[in-house]
Amino acid sequence: GAGVSQSPRYKVAKRGQDVALRCDPISGHVSLFWYQQALGQGPEFLTYFQNEAQLDKSGLPSDRFFAERPEGSVSTLKIQRTQQEDSAVYLCASSPGPGVVYEQYFGPGTRLTVT
Amino acid sequence: QKEVEQDPGPLSVPEGAIVSLNCTYSNSAFQYFMWYRQYSRKGPELLMYTYSSGNKEDGRFTAQVDKSSKYISLFIRDSQPSDSATYLCAMSAGNAGNMLTFGGGTRLMVKP
Repeated sequence: GAGVSQSPRYKVAKRGQDVALRCDPISGHVSLFWYQQALGQGPEFLTYFQNEAQLDKSGLPSDRFFAERPEGSVSTLKIQRTQQEDSAVYLCASSPGPGVVYEQYFGPGTRLTVT
Repeated sequence: QKEVEQDPGPLSVPEGAIVSLNCTYSNSAFQYFMWYRQYSRKGPELLMYTYSSGNKEDGRFTAQVDKSSKYISLFIRDSQPSDSATYLCAMSAGNAGNMLTFGGGTRLMVKP
């Protein structure tokens, strides 16, 4: 079946622009995660949804970052007034449910470059 | 200091060698331990997971967890050029959010 998809795959933004990154999780997956991966580093947790509820946003680095999942399926990560330090790969992962810790399936990521 | 430490490498080995990859961690609440493989410009792919301490084997891969030492390992036997990738360890306390805490990744190169 189809895996997690993300769009766009690559995004170049000028500093100060707003961007929106989309994640289509595996159909039926309840849990959805966003991670940020800087060059040469491991992914770092940003936020977590269970269905449409955002249960944890402790990893969002600033109030310029906002995520939503209004119908419990597709999710969007929005970054306002982008800064150079926002340049990274943004990974989305979905999981069948909160009880399955190890089953997080990752998308290919969106590579954001802020110039 | 990060919660999960991992030697970044690169680690270069000849084809057929046994590879040992390791992570140390500081958070004693971690109960689930995963290894992911990430090819260039791809998302991480789950290789193996272990709950609590012990060993787990899957084909050429063996995962070990020593909670008393806060140390986990992944062994790859008969390494192949196709194993060349970045290997990420990840851990979770297994609470409601199940967020993963990753190491920085070790880049492995297997030369034919």
